[in-house]
Amino acid sequence: DVKVTQSSRYLVKRTGEKVFLECVQDMDHENMFWYRQDPGLGLRLIYFSYDVKMKEKGDIPEGYSVSREKKERFSLILESASTNQTSMYLCASTSDRGISYEQYFGPGTRLTVT
Amino acid sequence: QKEVEQNSGPLSVPEGAIASLNCTYSDRVSQSFFWYRQYSGKSPELIMSIYSNGDKEDGRFTAQLNKASQYVSLLIRDSQPSDSATYLCAVRDHNFNKFYFGSGTKLNVKP
Repeated sequence: DVKVTQSSRYLVKRTGEKVFLECVQDMDHENMFWYRQDPGLGLRLIYFSYDVKMKEKGDIPEGYSVSREKKERFSLILESASTNQTSMYLCASTSDRGISYEQYFGPGTRLTVT
Repeated sequence: QKEVEQNSGPLSVPEGAIASLNCTYSDRVSQSFFWYRQYSGKSPELIMSIYSNGDKEDGRFTAQLNKASQYVSLLIRDSQPSDSATYLCAVRDHNFNKFYFGSGTKLNVKP
């Protein structure tokens, strides 16, 4: 079974704080993704990574950065949290090998910025 | 911008009925299609993937793909109240390792 874990289920931070969200997958997947999900807006891609130290901007990268120092770990960083970054954050991973490109999600982190 | 369209619902069906969920996509060369179930407050859970035209069955779930019509559907037989959730359709980009998601269809299965 693919397992994607995220460091926190719930997080409350203050405006201006630097926030780290961690994601770890145990299936040796090459590709990892960070999304946010908001009511009425669906899933939106923030960043993704297809290899260690590689990253690509998604649809809404502003205000975020990422780090991938090890294959199994992908971190999302909010440099200076703002109230409009209150959201559910979802990490996902997928493999490039074989014919299956199934994407698996972690449990999510519900972040509230006050 | 590649698009994945779903009817937002809610789709209400009685317990034991067949629920039919539909999805259309704009990228003609897409090859990989997925259905996820998402309970309120939880993350999406993969329930089906389909890559070839036709039907793919897994238990009570059947995914149907018609690439010529750019259409993918999910049938849930013998619907149960526990199937009540939002169902997300996803399409993998042919050229880039990105996934495009529909906004989801909310399914209510009434006892």
